[in-house]
Amino acid sequence: QVQLVQSGAEVKKPGASVKVSCKASGYTFTSYDINWVRQATGQGLEWMGWMNPNSGNTGYAQKFQGRVTMTRNTSISTAYMELSSLRSEDTAVYYCARVYNAIDAFDIWGQGTMVTVSS
Amino acid sequence: QSALTQPASVSGSPGQSITISCTGTSSDVGGYNYVSWYQQHPGKAPKLMIYDVSNRPSGVSNRFSGSKSGNTASLTISGLQAEDEADYYCSSYTSSSIVVFGGGTKLTVL
Repeated sequence: QVQLVQSGAEVKKPGASVKVSCKASGYTFTSYDINWVRQATGQGLEWMGWMNPNSGNTGYAQKFQGRVTMTRNTSISTAYMELSSLRSEDTAVYYCARVYNAIDAFDIWGQGTMVTVSS
Repeated sequence: QSALTQPASVSGSPGQSITISCTGTSSDVGGYNYVSWYQQHPGKAPKLMIYDVSNRPSGVSNRFSGSKSGNTASLTISGLQAEDEADYYCSSYTSSSIVVFGGGTKLTVL
């Protein structure tokens, strides 16, 4: 079936970087954009950016510009999100999601990856 | 880009209908027919319920419907059921070519 499977939980120290993976299966990876969304505990959803797996083109929310990098490896149908200069406020569950309507509707979501930033 | 405005909570009894509003600006909700709604149960990933203002993905109950008037989009759930109790988020495409979410609404089924 169509699914996105993310890498496991991470614990990082402030100032470090984290790279989360998102492996697609059940569909043609390069046919749908992948977006990343995060959610701090008890808080709402926060959009981080998008990536076109075919071209590698990306777009990031202004808040994360300079700290986030979204990449992909088409040979293994996997997208990556790397966030650098981590601070405690980055502690959250990070989700990858497939874009259904080529614009903004996220129809398939990964299970989420908990990233904890703590000294 | 500011988050879209949703009520923090709404409630209803089984069988009733409820509506959740999502207010933005002419640069997002009002400017595009790209509003989506998501349902999220505790500890789970969000689920797409409505896209392009009023379209339902395959498999989503027709008890869920979406609409838009001006800068405000709405999600209506009719025939409320216990399993509808969840958090609901709206989102919109914006003139900055980004996506913005609402703050979320907690639906309680009494």
